[in-house]
Amino acid sequence: DGGITQSPKYLFRKEGQNVTLSCEQNLNHDAMYWYRQDPGQGLRLIYYSQIVNDFQKGDIAEGYSVSREKKESFPLTVTSAQKNPTAFYLCASTMGGSGYTFGSGTRLTVV
Amino acid sequence: AQSVTQPDIHITVSEGASLELRCNYSYGATPYLFWYVQSPGQGLQLLLKYFSGDTLVQGIKGFEAEFKRSQSSFNLRKPSVHWSDAAEYFCAVAPPYNNNDMRFGAGTRLTVKP
Repeated sequence: DGGITQSPKYLFRKEGQNVTLSCEQNLNHDAMYWYRQDPGQGLRLIYYSQIVNDFQKGDIAEGYSVSREKKESFPLTVTSAQKNPTAFYLCASTMGGSGYTFGSGTRLTVV
Repeated sequence: AQSVTQPDIHITVSEGASLELRCNYSYGATPYLFWYVQSPGQGLQLLLKYFSGDTLVQGIKGFEAEFKRSQSSFNLRKPSVHWSDAAEYFCAVAPPYNNNDMRFGAGTRLTVKP
């Protein structure tokens, strides 16, 4: 079955460390998105990409970076510049106006 | 820019009772509207969407939503709630033909009493 796979499910980051969250989709969707979810705040857009080798900043891009070298993959790096990275991260994709398909998320915790 | 408000942070209903979750949006024209559901520790699943046409939209799991332009609302309803419906529900709004600017509400957590 087609879908979005996020890995790992849980990730622990030490202070000053960069970590990369994986997002892979086999839906042949063009557009992919990264959201951050904090309790009581809904979802906030970090980055999105409409086509390979192109991506745009969302509302809270500071301290994050992305790449889109393949249509299927859209990894997110949480850099040491992100001062409060503890959150639940969701990857999504879409084709046209069909609504988003989401992955099952990665919970990142700073230790 | 568009925005969406879910006035109820938490709602508790008894199993078998009816449910209505409120959603109000702000946008200058008719937007695209969505409802998603999220189980704990999971991603979001699309329940239903409204683009145009019939203002009563049917979705999965027995849910429906009604678009009311005059009230800028898109409330989600279910006639009889099951214990498995306990989850968090998110309303979302996007400009027509522009999925890249989807805005989510803060969510409503649904608890179902036996």
